[in-house]
Amino acid sequence: EPEVTQTPSHQVTQMGQEVILRCVPISNHLYFYWYRQILGQKVEFLVSFYNNEISEKSEIFDDQFSVERPDGSNFTLKIRSTKLEDSAMYFCASRTGQQVTKTNTEAFFGQGTRLTVV
Amino acid sequence: AQKVTQAQTEISVVEKEDVTLDCVYETRDTTYYLFWYKQPPSGELVFLIRRNSFDEQNEISGRYSWNFQKSTSSFNFTITASQVVDSAVYFCALSEVYNFNKFYFGSGTKLNVKP
Repeated sequence: EPEVTQTPSHQVTQMGQEVILRCVPISNHLYFYWYRQILGQKVEFLVSFYNNEISEKSEIFDDQFSVERPDGSNFTLKIRSTKLEDSAMYFCASRTGQQVTKTNTEAFFGQGTRLTVV
Repeated sequence: AQKVTQAQTEISVVEKEDVTLDCVYETRDTTYYLFWYKQPPSGELVFLIRRNSFDEQNEISGRYSWNFQKSTSSFNFTITASQVVDSAVYFCALSEVYNFNKFYFGSGTKLNVKP
């Protein structure tokens, strides 16, 4: 069964350092997302990406964040200068780009990358 | 605005008890999707079910069942004869249909099933 793959599963970084979280979405999907979950809290939307550009972003997704799909298979989230409050589980998700159907509307989530900023 | 409320922060039951997790949503859209995801202690999000707003039929899958009531904007999830392996955080989520963008997640309900 196809799945979304995220690497690494756990990343520890020092405050102020740049981190890149990597995701390989399902191959025929066209919509890509990053979500964040601070420990014990709800899953929050960060950004959506379609047709090689950001389609929507939340207020959390400030200038420290960027996304890229560098090679047609990977989808990355970069945090330029990490802060302690960036510590969270980051989930990548992808969705098919089909128009409204009854079968292909759920987002498939990766297993997450736990980012710890120290 | 879209909003999902899971009022139960944490529920503890003894194995074999039935348990219902509540989910209430708000949306201006007439067409939308509702979802339940399970997050075990290992942290990943596991898809459980999707329900189209047009389809109010209840669904049963093994020990899991879902009750969608559009009139009360609720999409409740019942686990029958709970097992220790059901212990997890369960998230209800809402997604627009004509906008392939974000999910709106509830705050989650932590279910503890004790042996």
